[in-house]
Parts: sequence; structure tokens; C-alpha cells
Amino acid sequence: EPEVTQTPSHQVTQMGQEVILRCVPISNHLYFYWYRQILGQKVEFLVSFYNNEISEKSEIFDDQFSVERPDGSNFTLKIRSTKLEDSAMYFCASSVSGGTSYEQYFGPGTRLTVT
Amino acid sequence: LAKTTQPISMDSYEGQEVNITCSHNNIATNDYITWYQQFPSQGPRFIIQGYKTKVTNEVASLFIPADRKSSTLSLPRVSLSDTAVYYCLVGAPNTGTASKLTFGTGTRLQVTL
Repeated sequence: EPEVTQTPSHQVTQMGQEVILRCVPISNHLYFYWYRQILGQKVEFLVSFYNNEISEKSEIFDDQFSVERPDGSNFTLKIRSTKLEDSAMYFCASSVSGGTSYEQYFGPGTRLTVT
Repeated sequence: LAKTTQPISMDSYEGQEVNITCSHNNIATNDYITWYQQFPSQGPRFIIQGYKTKVTNEVASLFIPADRKSSTLSLPRVSLSDTAVYYCLVGAPNTGTASKLTFGTGTRLQVTL
């Protein structure tokens, strides 16, 4: 069964550093997403991406964040100048289509720890 | 997005049927009801989605009454591996564009022997 993959599984960085979280969505999917989950809290939407541009972003997704699909397979989330409060699990997801389905496939996540 | 209310936690023994009810009194005409499952330190996993009446797949059943103001996720004969958080989401997916998911706090199901 095809799956979304994410690397690294765990990233430790110092405050103020830049990190890039990588995702490989399912190959025939067209819609891509990033979510995050701070330990013990809800899964929060960050951004959606379709047709090489951002479809929607949340209030969390400020100028510190950016997304890119640099080639036909990878989807990345860049966090510039990380802060302590950026420590969380970051999940990438993809879906075949918008349509009438809320079925999204999530990756295993990257645990980001900012020290 | 319709506000949803579901129990914070539930306990069950292995082999029992578990029913998790979600209230969504303000559901809109175009809204669908979707359930996700999340194991600790893993990404959410889609379980089932429905609009009205009953939907069944290999994992669960979803019962939606005629007024659609609530829904019930039914897990037949749960096992220890069904211990997870279950989320009820209500909304209208965007046709032709990406649809964000809005998660609540979910229901933490604990299955024991």
C-alpha cells in the first residue's frame, strides 16, 4: 500500500536555526498539507498546497514558514529562525483530490525539538 | 465548520463492540461526517466518512440519523490495538481544491483485556 514518508523522523535544532522538513507524498496525489501537533494538544492545520501554490494557510503559518515542491516528488516545510514554541510533531499529508472526500493520508511525522 | 462534541474518553474490554457518538447540532446541508484514528506518536488515519444513513467498511460502521445532528462510529469486537484517539470531523470538502482538516480533542479509547 502506498504511503506518505517523512524525513527526518526526529530533528533537534537550536533556537534561531533554520530547519527543512521533508515529505514524499503518495505519487498520484495532487493535494498536499502540513499539520503540526504540540505534545498533548490538538492536530493543527498549517498549510495546504495544490497546483504549485498555497491553497490555504492558517494563522500559525506566518512569514517564518514556507513550503515548496522542488521536484515531482518532494514537498518541504521550511521553518526559519526556529523558536522554542515550534517544538512539535509535524505531519505531512496528501490526498488524491478535493471533491467530496476528506480522506487524507498522513505521514509518520517529524518530531522537531528546538532547544 | 460545525462544532462537534464527543466524549473525552472511553474504556472497553477486548472483544466488545464500541460505539463513539459525536454531536454536531449545527451541521450544514453540504457537510460530511468524517472519522479519523490516531495512535500515539503517529499521524491520523482516515477511518470512514458518510453523509447520511449508514456507511460500513472493513474497519468500522458509521450511523447517521435522519436529522444528522449526531453520528455514531461503531467498532466491532475491538482489540488492544484499537487503543487510540478517535476524531469526529464535520465539514464540506472543497471541490477542486485542497480541504483542510480541523481536529478537535477527540475521544481517547482505552481497550484492556
